[in-house]
Formats: sequence, structure tokens, C-alpha cells
Amino acid sequence: QSVLTQPPSASGTPGQRVTISCSGNSSNIGNNDVKWFQQLPGKAPKLLIYSNYQRPSGVPGRFSGSKSGTSASLAISGLQSEDEADYYCAAWDGSLNGHVFGSGTKVTVL
Amino acid sequence: EVQLLESGGGLVQPGGSLRLSCAGTGFTFSNYAMNWVRQAPGKGLEWVSGISAGGDIYYAESVKGRYTISRDNSKNMLYLQMNGLRAEDMARYYCVRKDPNSAWDYWGQGTLVTVSS
Repeated sequence: QSVLTQPPSASGTPGQRVTISCSGNSSNIGNNDVKWFQQLPGKAPKLLIYSNYQRPSGVPGRFSGSKSGTSASLAISGLQSEDEADYYCAAWDGSLNGHVFGSGTKVTVL
Repeated sequence: EVQLLESGGGLVQPGGSLRLSCAGTGFTFSNYAMNWVRQAPGKGLEWVSGISAGGDIYYAESVKGRYTISRDNSKNMLYLQMNGLRAEDMARYYCVRKDPNSAWDYWGQGTLVTVSS
């Protein structure tokens, strides 16, 4: 059972906006930065968002991150077929003294 | 170009040992914290261990006492010594670089560890 809680699935049609939630507590998200990763089928994960909302160079602007209290969200605006993938959130957990991941959300483009 | 190349995975019996290696190229290896993250077949990501640029070490509870992370900056290498392997340790193990902004910005392609008799 993952420390961070994500919905198992999300879906949308091309062009729609999809939002994925990541819920934690004061030991992790509440007091530490959140990262988001995209994992395409059969590939290594790729960093999408770091420090809650920062995008690495090369990541399209349709991906955005936010954080409020002990929850974080990843939004995909203008959904595209190539966005069909698994998405994971992660944060440092001060109580566990280690990093924790969410269980992952599979995004399907209808 | 930054590259991380893992090696050392394979088939091992329960209770056995393996040593994973990760070669970092295209950046000043000694300046970066490094992590190991694993993914069991069909499952999600799990952080395993990390080592800072200064040598501070962290482990997930699930591997503490069995795994040892280390680095050799003179060779630009990261290692993970895995002892007492269990069926639940079977996974693809990824080497991950952490930049100063805590972004896990580069991942290797992973090396597969299979634990089976």
C-alpha cells in the first residue's frame, strides 16, 4: 500500500483537461516538495514536474503541477494521444526518512 | 549528454546476493546525489535507496539491513549490494540522478533482478 494516494485511472478525449490528485500527510507532501513522473509503456519514468510546479526544459507546457496543504495535483491540458501513460507522484517523507511514491494513475485517451 | 547505464541484474535464488552497478557519464558525477528506484513486474515505482554527493545514505525500510548503497566518484559509479534477496525484491532497478533542485532528472533504462529457485 503506497503512502501517497492516487486514483488508479483517469481518462479524457483529445483536447480535454485531465487532473490527477496525490494525497499525503504532513510528513510528506505537507512539508516537502512534490515531483511527478510519466512512464510510457515499456519505458523508464520521465520527470514531468519538480518542486511542486516546476517543469524541466523540454516538458510541454500542457503539463502543470500544483500543491495545497497535504495534496498535490497534476493537470494535463489539451490531452493528446501520446499522453497515454502511467503517472506517479513522489515526495520525501520526514517520518520514514525516505522518498515515497504514489500508487500511480493510468491515463487513457478515449 | 547525460547517460546512466545499469548492469549486474540477473537470476538469483532466494537468499542469494547480487551487486548492481550504474555508470554515469556526461556530467560531474561527484556533484550529484544518486538514487535507486525499483519496479516490480506490473507494479508501481518504489524508492529503494539514495546517497548524497557528500555520502549521506538512506534506505527504504523494506531493504534496510540487506542492501548497501555506495559510490566511487573516481570511477563515476554507483552501486547497490543486495543480500538476502527475497521473491518480493524481484523488479527492474533504475539508477536515478538527483539535481540540486531535487529534480530526479535522469533515469537509466534499468536492470532486471529475478529472484527464483
